[in-house]
Amino acid sequence: EIVLTQSPATLSLSPGERATLSCRASQSVNNDLAWYQHKPGRAPRLLIFDASNRATGIPARFSGSGSGTDFTLTISSLEPEDFAVYYCQERTNLWTFGQGTKVEI
Amino acid sequence: EVHFVESGGGFVQPGGSLRLSCAASGFTFSGYAMSWVRQTPGKGLEWVSTFGGVGDTYYADSVKGRFTIFRDNSKSTLDLQMNSLRAEDTAVYFCARLFPPRSSIYFDFGGQGTVVTVSS
Repeated sequence: EIVLTQSPATLSLSPGERATLSCRASQSVNNDLAWYQHKPGRAPRLLIFDASNRATGIPARFSGSGSGTDFTLTISSLEPEDFAVYYCQERTNLWTFGQGTKVEI
Repeated sequence: EVHFVESGGGFVQPGGSLRLSCAASGFTFSGYAMSWVRQTPGKGLEWVSTFGGVGDTYYADSVKGRFTIFRDNSKSTLDLQMNSLRAEDTAVYFCARLFPPRSSIYFDFGGQGTVVTVSS
């Protein structure tokens, strides 16, 4: 079973700053990795799939990179609505999520 | 745009049962694998179960033997029968479509979820 480890657990930033979130897989997942944004009381929102492809309607300030075991989600300039919890996810065998990174003001 | 309405959550004592239901719209339901994903207070998002497009079913180890997933393509609904509930099953449960259809890797969420609380 693949384990996804996200870091840091919490990222404290201000609007306008750059956010860099990391996701490390215990084994290679090739490029089959997604990033989601989740806010309380809302459905999780797919941001990035196949490691670097933005989902429909996702602003260009969100970008994903990496392959194999090391992946990064970058938010180039934080907007107030970007403060949320972010999860990475893969499916090599069954479906696995990382434990999340909270981006807080 | 995919849309889901999850229902059936509630308050139940340990050892009890609940049946969750998800009504889907906005896409051809029969063409996709469907899943339940939960968000627990302490552990974030956790995949629970998947019903594939050809009748195959999958369960997380934490729920195997206690939960059963069902789908009705004629009604575009996905159900989750939850038995022998435990405190650690307390969560918000979300219904999700898996895509792309051929590999079913990623989740498309589209509902607000339904809350399950297991407590004595």
